[in-house]
Amino acid sequence: QVQLQQWGAGLLKPSGTLSLSCSVHGGSFSEYFWTWIRQAPGQGLEWIGEINPDGSTNYNPSLKSRATISLDTSEKSFSLNLNSVAAADTAVYFCARSPTWTDTRGHYSAYFDRWGQGSLVIVSS
Amino acid sequence: ETVMTQSPVTLSASPGERATLSCRASQSVSSNLAWYQQKPGQAPRLLIYSASSRATGIPARFSGSRSGTEFTLTISSLQSEDFAVYYCQQYNNWPRTFGQGTKVEIK
Repeated sequence: QVQLQQWGAGLLKPSGTLSLSCSVHGGSFSEYFWTWIRQAPGQGLEWIGEINPDGSTNYNPSLKSRATISLDTSEKSFSLNLNSVAAADTAVYFCARSPTWTDTRGHYSAYFDRWGQGSLVIVSS
Repeated sequence: ETVMTQSPVTLSASPGERATLSCRASQSVSSNLAWYQQKPGQAPRLLIYSASSRATGIPARFSGSRSGTEFTLTISSLQSEDFAVYYCQQYNNWPRTFGQGTKVEIK
């Protein structure tokens, strides 16, 4: 049974850096994309970005280059750093696993079939 | 960015009724569309991928379909555990985007 377990600081001051990690228990680590998604209070879901098994990343342009996702293959974990946080970054952050789909041009992330439990991050002075 | 528009925002229905949820993409996403169910305080759960394939363990009362850039999630007979918020998500274009959600509530 695949489980994603996430952890990190829950209360930050404005202009600080959000740091979250997600460890993967069970299943393959090298055959999937690994993703971060967030949900502001009472709002919908926002894709933050992803990292593929080779370490290549894609990010949501709405975050204006503040996000960095990294991979630790030996520990079967991945992490999110988000700098210069503000109150608008207050949200529940989820890590998730994404299977790949393939066409003639390459491999891409697909839907999200396994999710972490979510981490509430509050940005407040 | 591919905008996903879900309708209705809220659907009020009784147990046993059929529920039809819609999702429209602002540009082509092919069949690279998924549906999720989310209950309060929980992570979303994958229901449907590739527009019409049920995820592992999902009951047959959930089905998905596609017509061009219009997608539909149908729950054939609502059970008490189905009252939740449903999101569509496209994975054809970057950034990956979700619809704003449809809340299915008890009438």
